[in-house]
Amino acid sequence: AQSVTQLDSQVPVFEEAPVELRCNYSSSVSVYLFWYVQYPNQGLQLLLKYLSGSTLVESINGFEAEFNKSQTSFHLRKPSVHISDTAEYFCAVSSLSGGYNKLIFGAGTRLAVHP
Amino acid sequence: DAGVIQSPRHEVTEMGQEVTLRCKPISGHDYLFWYRQTMMRGLELLIYFNNNVPIDDSGMPEDRFSAKMPNASFSTLKIQPSEPRDSAVYFCASSLALGTGGAYEQYFGPGTRLTVT
Repeated sequence: AQSVTQLDSQVPVFEEAPVELRCNYSSSVSVYLFWYVQYPNQGLQLLLKYLSGSTLVESINGFEAEFNKSQTSFHLRKPSVHISDTAEYFCAVSSLSGGYNKLIFGAGTRLAVHP
Repeated sequence: DAGVIQSPRHEVTEMGQEVTLRCKPISGHDYLFWYRQTMMRGLELLIYFNNNVPIDDSGMPEDRFSAKMPNASFSTLKIQPSEPRDSAVYFCASSLALGTGGAYEQYFGPGTRLTVT
């Protein structure tokens, strides 16, 4: 069975500091990996995804994540955060095992950026 | 496209009442998902449909919960009777079929915040 572990439930950080949100997964088949972001009182939005190819994927607002197969990790990083990055971030895994597009979400990491 | 549309955005009801949540997926999407989000349990998949057919309802908590998708542009999640422990945010999401460009990504609606008193 697949599972996703987000190692930190909350991450406080000062504005313009770097941040890393950690995500580990377990799966016995090939996986596709995602980071979603949820701003207060909103639905989830896709931040970035890894399907195949380059193991380093980037979002349009400066986040990046690296797929590490040997460590079964997909950590999210940003070199300099802004107040507006305050949100909850969810790591998710999907596989084609069984032939359907089912996402398994982690518990989420609440990123709080302070001035 | 307007994205996934959910209604109502907020619902307050008394225990024992019937509650119906509504969802309009993105036009052309083949998959529709219902999730529930709570502080205690996080984000849980309740049920999903492929081409209007329920595929996996193993996440539906009890027989009090039921979901339908009468056509490609509309789905409902019904709770009857409702209980205080059903209080949560319910999300609907949709996605394209596998193998198409942009597949695997799920697009979420804004959610319905349900409070059962």
